[in-house]
Amino acid sequence: ETGVTQSPTHLIKTRGQQVTLRCSSQSGHNTVSWYQQALGQGPQFIFQYYREEENGRGNFPPRFSGLQFPNYSSELNVNALELDDSALYLCASSLETATYEQYFGPGTRLTVT
Amino acid sequence: AQSVAQPEDQVNVAEGNPLTVKCTYSVSGNPYLFWYVQYPNRGLQFLLKYITGDNLVKGSYGFEAEFNKSQTSFHLKKPSALVSDSALYFCAVRDAENNDMRFGAGTRLTVKP
Repeated sequence: ETGVTQSPTHLIKTRGQQVTLRCSSQSGHNTVSWYQQALGQGPQFIFQYYREEENGRGNFPPRFSGLQFPNYSSELNVNALELDDSALYLCASSLETATYEQYFGPGTRLTVT
Repeated sequence: AQSVAQPEDQVNVAEGNPLTVKCTYSVSGNPYLFWYVQYPNRGLQFLLKYITGDNLVKGSYGFEAEFNKSQTSFHLKKPSALVSDSALYFCAVRDAENNDMRFGAGTRLTVKP
């Protein structure tokens, strides 16, 4: 059984640029959630995708968008990057939306300069 | 809105001693509560959850948590701490309306030999 993987591991971008982060779900999981974890803080929910549709969203602006593909892998896109977007971005997969156990990937560390 | 609070930024215990990491919650309706652990440069790992049933929940790696409705608490406990338990611990609550997982700010546990 393959766990949740994320790419890239680290990324450095300039303010105003756009970035795409990728996540592969654990085998058999059809739900993916994305979180932003700023340094010294707990993860904050960005959104969730279930069967290729957005299924819940946290308090993040529209420049944070996502996709889920038929194989349940997912992308997080952030446009017009700001310095405050620097954080660890975590992807978590689960089997169905009502499952309470989420399996997290190792994260992508994004630095915006 | 659902929320959790972790009143301690840091907890230090000696190896072999019992440990407690505190969490209090604020929810409307039935709480769905979780504990996760985060090791350096890794994603979060699920430890245990409380959905319904017994107030004492047993989880991974010898951890357990006690749900206390009158005190609105969900403290994480372990009878005998190991040095390898040193990590960042997060309490979380699920907001069923938004499929949102709300995390606390985290408590850094250090177990000294």
